[in-house]
Amino acid sequence: NAGVMQNPRHLVRRRGQEARLRCSPMKGHSHVYWYRQLPEEGLKFMVYLQKENIIDESGMPKERFSAEFPKEGPSILRIQQVVRGDSAAYFCASSPPGQGAYGYTFGSGTRLTVV
Amino acid sequence: QQQVKQSPQSLIVQKGGISIINCAYENTAFDYFPWYQQFPGKGPALLIAIRPDVSEKKEGRFTISFNKSAKQFSLHIMDSQPGDSATYFCAALRTSGGYQKVTFGTGTKLQVIP
Repeated sequence: NAGVMQNPRHLVRRRGQEARLRCSPMKGHSHVYWYRQLPEEGLKFMVYLQKENIIDESGMPKERFSAEFPKEGPSILRIQQVVRGDSAAYFCASSPPGQGAYGYTFGSGTRLTVV
Repeated sequence: QQQVKQSPQSLIVQKGGISIINCAYENTAFDYFPWYQQFPGKGPALLIAIRPDVSEKKEGRFTISFNKSAKQFSLHIMDSQPGDSATYFCAALRTSGGYQKVTFGTGTKLQVIP
């Protein structure tokens, strides 16, 4: 049973480009959560999604950031017109129905570098 | 009110020693307190967790001590080993709007030296 798969592991983008981060949850998990981790800081919640629904996006910046979790395929975190301050590690976690955050399994993250 | 304050930021312990990491919170609505272990290049992994109706939980060399009145909890790693070298995050969960919201501490980088 593969864990939470995130790709790419490393992503380098020039300022102004778009970044697309993918997260495939564990088999049987229908809830996906995205977090951002800056150096020397903890994880900051960004968005919580279930299949085809955004449940809580209170941690997402209002501009340039969007997330989706389609019926088929991975969850996508999209950052448009990236800036240097977007450089961070982005982690997704998934959990099975009914467990919510009690059942988090994290992926290994995507490290985004904006140059 | 949603913060979880974690200390120390970094910790160096000799092999065989006890590592102690502390966290404090303000919001009494938190009802679940997990600790996560993160190795470089990896995502956090759940290590051990406690509910506020219990004052201590032990799993192997790892123990959580919980002080509800002081709103503090701590992770103790007994007989620390070099393989324990990692970053440790405390967290606190509360239920709001029908689902759990998680607040993480800022992390403690533990180095266990031989």
